[in-house]
Amino acid sequence: GAVVSQHPSWVICKSGTSVKIECRSLDFQATTMFWYRQFPKQSLMLMATSNEGSKATYEQGVEKDKFLINHASLTLSTLTVTSAHPEDSSFYICSASSGLGEAFFGQGTRLTVV
Amino acid sequence: DAKTTQPTSMDCAEGRAANLPCNHSTISGNEYVYWYRQIHSQGPQYIIHGLKNNETNEMASLIITEDRKSSTLILPHATLRDTAVYYCIVRVGAGNQGGKLIFGQGTELSVKP
Repeated sequence: GAVVSQHPSWVICKSGTSVKIECRSLDFQATTMFWYRQFPKQSLMLMATSNEGSKATYEQGVEKDKFLINHASLTLSTLTVTSAHPEDSSFYICSASSGLGEAFFGQGTRLTVV
Repeated sequence: DAKTTQPTSMDCAEGRAANLPCNHSTISGNEYVYWYRQIHSQGPQYIIHGLKNNETNEMASLIITEDRKSSTLILPHATLRDTAVYYCIVRVGAGNQGGKLIFGQGTELSVKP
């Protein structure tokens, strides 16, 4: 299957700082990318949908000013967690779709805010 | 997208077939059944999907009932590495927010020696 890479795999940051997570589709052009968040022992929760060159669409209850999403090219989307707090500690996962079939997921980024 | 119902957990003996059921009684005619799995602390992995016909690939088989209200994912010879949470998801196929997946709670499959 297609390869989607996330970076970093894990990050620890201080409360109040911002963290950027990258999601890259390595061998196909991703017209649409999705960002999910997963807390321990819970399922994945869709946060937002980003389309290349346009503003992201956020799910209800997700703060767009806190979780900034940029999809500047067909192979890269970034999620920036601004002014991170301990409650933002979670497993963040992206997926990418070419629009022709199934979505492929990155390996996830473990964020710990201290 | 239609809602799915899966058992919370299942056990399977190594080397035996694992049959994971999924109910999707409100599925619409243009909605596909997708299966993904998530091994602990990793991103989900695509397994298989289908519309109405049974499907088979190198990982698994997908059996969809004639009325499409339920399906079964079959891992023919389960190994310890198949221990994971398996998600059954119903959604409209590619072209309509292609790739947007809404995850339920899934089935936690434990393959035991």
